[in-house]
Amino acid sequence: NAGVMQNPRHLVRRRGQEARLRCSPMKGHSHVYWYRQLPEEGLKFMVYLQKENIIDESGMPKERFSAEFPKEGPSILRIQQVVRGDSAAYFCASIRDNVSGNTIYFGEGSWLTVV
Amino acid sequence: DQQVKQNSPSLSVQEGRISILNCDYTNSMFDYFLWYKKYPAEGPTFLISISSIKDKNEDGRFTVFLNKSAKHLSLHIVPSQPGDSAVYFCAASAYVGGTSYGKLTFGQGTILTVHP
Repeated sequence: NAGVMQNPRHLVRRRGQEARLRCSPMKGHSHVYWYRQLPEEGLKFMVYLQKENIIDESGMPKERFSAEFPKEGPSILRIQQVVRGDSAAYFCASIRDNVSGNTIYFGEGSWLTVV
Repeated sequence: DQQVKQNSPSLSVQEGRISILNCDYTNSMFDYFLWYKKYPAEGPTFLISISSIKDKNEDGRFTVFLNKSAKHLSLHIVPSQPGDSAVYFCAASAYVGGTSYGKLTFGQGTILTVHP
C-alpha cells in the first residue's frame, strides 16, 4: 500500500454538502482508479483516469459524482450534495502501465460519513 | 449481476494448517486474477496473481490455482499463521478493447480467522 496516498482518511459531511477526496498515485504510475466499498460489500469500480483524461467512468453514478486527474496535482473524486447512501470507503489505486502482470496498488482509503 | 463470487463469508483455521479460500467467476473474458488481503480501516494489500495462461502460481506460503474450465480459482495458505487473519478478496480483470487491467471486479470477501 505504501506509495498511493489518499486524503483525507476520514471525512464527515452533512447532507447536501460537498465531499472532495484526493489521491496521489505511486511514483511513476500514470493510471488511476477509484473504487467504492459500501458496508458489507466488496469493492466496486467507479472510474479510470489518466492525466487530463477520463478513460472509463462506467461505474460512476450518473449524478453528483465527478472525477479528474489534472496535469499537475492529485486525482480528485468530488461528490456534490452528499446523501446518507454515499457513506462508504473510497479507495484509489494506481498502476504503472496498462499491461498484464503489473501490480495494482491501493491506497489506505478515505472513509466518508454523511450525517 | 455478481460476476465474481466468494461463497464462503468466513473461514476458521487452526494455526499451522492449510487455509483454502475459493472464488468463482462467470465472465469468460476475465484473463487476469488477483488476491488481496484487507485489514479493517486499511486498503487492500496485493498478495498474488495469476494469468489465464497458467493454472498455478506460487509465492512463499501462498499458492493460487486456476481452473478455467470450471471458472474457479482458489488461494492456498500453508502453513496458516494468526497474522493471516483478515478479509481476503479475489478480483478479476479483462483486457477487452483497451479496457484497463486495473479495472477489477471484486468478490464479496471471505473473513479468515487463524486460531493460535
